[in-house]
Amino acid sequence: GEQVEQLPSILRVQERSSASINCTYENSASNYFPWYKQEPGENPKLIIDIRSNMERKQIQGLIVLLDKKAKRFSLHITDTQPADSAMYFCAAMNTGYQNFYFGKGTSLTVIP
Amino acid sequence: DTTVKQNPRYKLARVGKPVNLICSQTMNHDTMYWYQKKPNQAPKLLLFYYDKILNREADTFEKFQSSRPNNSFCSLYIGSAGLEYSAMYLCASSRLGGRGEQYFGPGTRLTVL
Repeated sequence: GEQVEQLPSILRVQERSSASINCTYENSASNYFPWYKQEPGENPKLIIDIRSNMERKQIQGLIVLLDKKAKRFSLHITDTQPADSAMYFCAAMNTGYQNFYFGKGTSLTVIP
Repeated sequence: DTTVKQNPRYKLARVGKPVNLICSQTMNHDTMYWYQKKPNQAPKLLLFYYDKILNREADTFEKFQSSRPNNSFCSLYIGSAGLEYSAMYLCASSRLGGRGEQYFGPGTRLTVL
């Protein structure tokens, strides 16, 4: 199976509503969970991350939650704007080994 | 400068021919990664260099080579390209002991004909 499962693969939401993306991981030794946003023709860019010593982190309208027992983490985008439309990737990493596994990505479209 | 550069951006190769992709960064990052990304699939880690030490994933061990002549440059080498190598190849770098954040290059789109 995949090291990191990401759902949904496609997400369409109305402007100003919330969007949620969920990821699960296999390796219980994973301790770092970044989220990347990739716009067409651009590099993936880190938008928010969370380490295993935290359960929740918020940067402006981005919220990440981590449930280590369930090996699950999620990204929540509040008050979405059309500019949030992009591909989003979650990833899980064990910083001790530097193995880095991505989810398959979620294509988010925010409808004006 | 926090950019990772990749050359070329697009590469066309013939089946059975070698392919060499180049990545560079000037952030003095000690670790550089190569990923393969195919449509509707997760980016797949192929290998990474920590300083001068090369780590290759078990299932891609024989398919890809790499070299890192200095801290700034890292190459990905395919000795004999097959059709299945057509993909986007992403390079990234990070600093060990830091936050683990990886900085990605724009990718090289390889098409094997």
